[in-house]
Amino acid sequence: EVQLLESGGGLVQPGGSLRLSCDASGFTFSSYGMSWVRQAPGKGLEWVAAIRASGGSTYYAASVQGRFTISRDNSNNTLYLQMSSLRADDTAVYFCARARSPAAVEVDPWGQGTLVIVSS
Amino acid sequence: DIQMTQSPSSLSASVGDRVTLSCRASRTIRSFLNWYQHQPGKAPRLLIYATSTLQTGVPSRFSGSGSETDFTLTISSLQPEDSATYYCQQSFTTPLTFGGGTKVEIK
Repeated sequence: EVQLLESGGGLVQPGGSLRLSCDASGFTFSSYGMSWVRQAPGKGLEWVAAIRASGGSTYYAASVQGRFTISRDNSNNTLYLQMSSLRADDTAVYFCARARSPAAVEVDPWGQGTLVIVSS
Repeated sequence: DIQMTQSPSSLSASVGDRVTLSCRASRTIRSFLNWYQHQPGKAPRLLIYATSTLQTGVPSRFSGSGSETDFTLTISSLQPEDSATYYCQQSFTTPLTFGGGTKVEIK
């Protein structure tokens, strides 16, 4: 069974940094692209970033470009999202998600999410 | 960036009703359109990819159609467990973008 478990969320001050992790199991992690998607309180889903299976290519939403870095450790089956210069509007539940298939862009399944609150 | 617009933003329908949700892209995305279901407190779930292909395990009452800029998700016979917010997403180009969602409620 595919499992994705996010961690690392919490309360952080504006301008601060946080690193999210997503521990993956139940599939060959190094064969699949991975993504981060977030949902701000009362808002819809927003794609944040994606990374190819090898880690060689990364992609970002304009709203996080230059502040967030997606990375992966294929030896430890873990996806990361390093977030810096955090702002109040980064407050959201952050989901990690796996590509539907090794060649796909769409994602499924998703983790349960981890909550990030940016507030002083 | 490609903007995705969903309509309506919400709807209320009865069990057994046929329900149609719309999604429009700001420019052509060919058939690179996906639909997700999100219920409160749960992980989102992929329903349909590439406009009309049903993800494994998704009930056949869900179907998708469309092309280029206009797309539709249809629930042929609404069930109580279909109460959720539905999002379309284009995967034609990065940044990948979601629509604002359609909240489906059961009367």
